[in-house]
Amino acid sequence: GAGVSQSPSNKVTEKGKDVELRCDPISGHTALYWYRQSLGQGLEFLIYFQGNSAPDKSGLPSDRFSAERTGGSVSTLTIQRTQQEDSAVYLCASSFRGGPTGELFFGEGSRLTVL
Amino acid sequence: GENVEQHPSTLSVQEGDSAVIKCTYSDSASNYFPWYKQELGKRPQLIIDIRSNVGEKKDQRIAVTLNKTAKHFSLHITETQPEDSAVYFCAASKSGTGGFKTIFGAGTRLFVKA
Repeated sequence: GAGVSQSPSNKVTEKGKDVELRCDPISGHTALYWYRQSLGQGLEFLIYFQGNSAPDKSGLPSDRFSAERTGGSVSTLTIQRTQQEDSAVYLCASSFRGGPTGELFFGEGSRLTVL
Repeated sequence: GENVEQHPSTLSVQEGDSAVIKCTYSDSASNYFPWYKQELGKRPQLIIDIRSNVGEKKDQRIAVTLNKTAKHFSLHITETQPEDSAVYFCAASKSGTGGFKTIFGAGTRLFVKA
């Protein structure tokens, strides 16, 4: 695709429900990243994938958060039993491992609101 | 663990003045230092980057400097314009078998007053 695509762009859910956020990276990009951005805050690292494996899951806030990537392409971030503090914009980014830099190309984000 | 500190959190300058944003990083294995600009409601985008084997890099009104010994790097914007107003994020990244892991600073909100 032309860019990183994320869905849904907006999600409102009730506390305690599960949510799934999807990221479709740029075609050919082998690395995929998830970040969380709370209102007016920085970019909090959650997890990244190289291919289908996740070398570093250290940023996942709790065991309610999980992510997977299949076929070296689409990734899904799942939040179980959502809490109000999970409300944030979840940004996905991809990069081409073989490129000259580690530039990240971001999607538009998925804005999650937990009521 | 890895950490990137960024200062100041907010910076207000007059149009035409210079702006400087400073970052420090903790992981000495970091070897790539990008800067991203995020305009209101938009996605972050790379504006300039520097590798660990270079001390300075310039691109028109933007320059970055890197001091590996002190683990400091800075962004300099000269002749600021209102369209430079945005949030700027520094980041430190290291390559590994799994690609680049990139850790961001907390961001600097830059206001350029016309």
